[in-house]
Amino acid sequence: DAKTTQPPSMDCAEGRAANLPCNHSTISGNEYVYWYRQIHSQGPQYIIHGLKNNETNEMASLIITEDRKSSTLILPHATLRDTAVYYCIVYNQGGKLIFGQGTELSVKP
Amino acid sequence: GAGVSQSPRYKVAKRGQDVALRCDPISGHVSLFWYQQALGQGPEFLTYFQNEAQLDKSGLPSDRFFAERPEGSVSTLKIQRTQQEDSAVYLCASSPEWGVSYEQYFGPGTRLTVT
Repeated sequence: DAKTTQPPSMDCAEGRAANLPCNHSTISGNEYVYWYRQIHSQGPQYIIHGLKNNETNEMASLIITEDRKSSTLILPHATLRDTAVYYCIVYNQGGKLIFGQGTELSVKP
Repeated sequence: GAGVSQSPRYKVAKRGQDVALRCDPISGHVSLFWYQQALGQGPEFLTYFQNEAQLDKSGLPSDRFFAERPEGSVSTLKIQRTQQEDSAVYLCASSPEWGVSYEQYFGPGTRLTVT
């Protein structure tokens, strides 16, 4: 499975957009980019995934570069409840997820 | 609908004791996964079932760890002769898979403390 690189921590002001970057330069053609988040003392929660097109759902948007070597998760209007560790995972759909260290996002009032 | 549930939520065991952790997946989900999460780290894969078949147990750290899902629904993770290094949060996840959806839905975890 391809590895991902994420910044260890980021801050964001409440109400502003949070843009979380992820590098996955060794991603292969059949691997998807998945994002999960883990709020303190809870299990990870699925956010969004994509292959090569940009995706949007009620939680977030996912922007994948044309060469697929990096992506950005966008939370359009961050709230205090979005404070969590965000994991970017490249995944071949089926089988185990391989989590890295993730990005600890702190949303501040 | 109901999500993935795990019990107990907290377990304290003396070193050398056996423990059993239970996972109730979302009804109808084919796949079930166990992960171990040490403090300050991301979850690490332990084992994976598709229905009752254990397809991958490559992440189990030793032969003291055993998992089963005999009827393709509820799963139990058993740890024999617990050691202090087994202290962690044990997460269970289930997924529909089979071309429907590959998202994994996680339970709240069981926090195991070995004293």
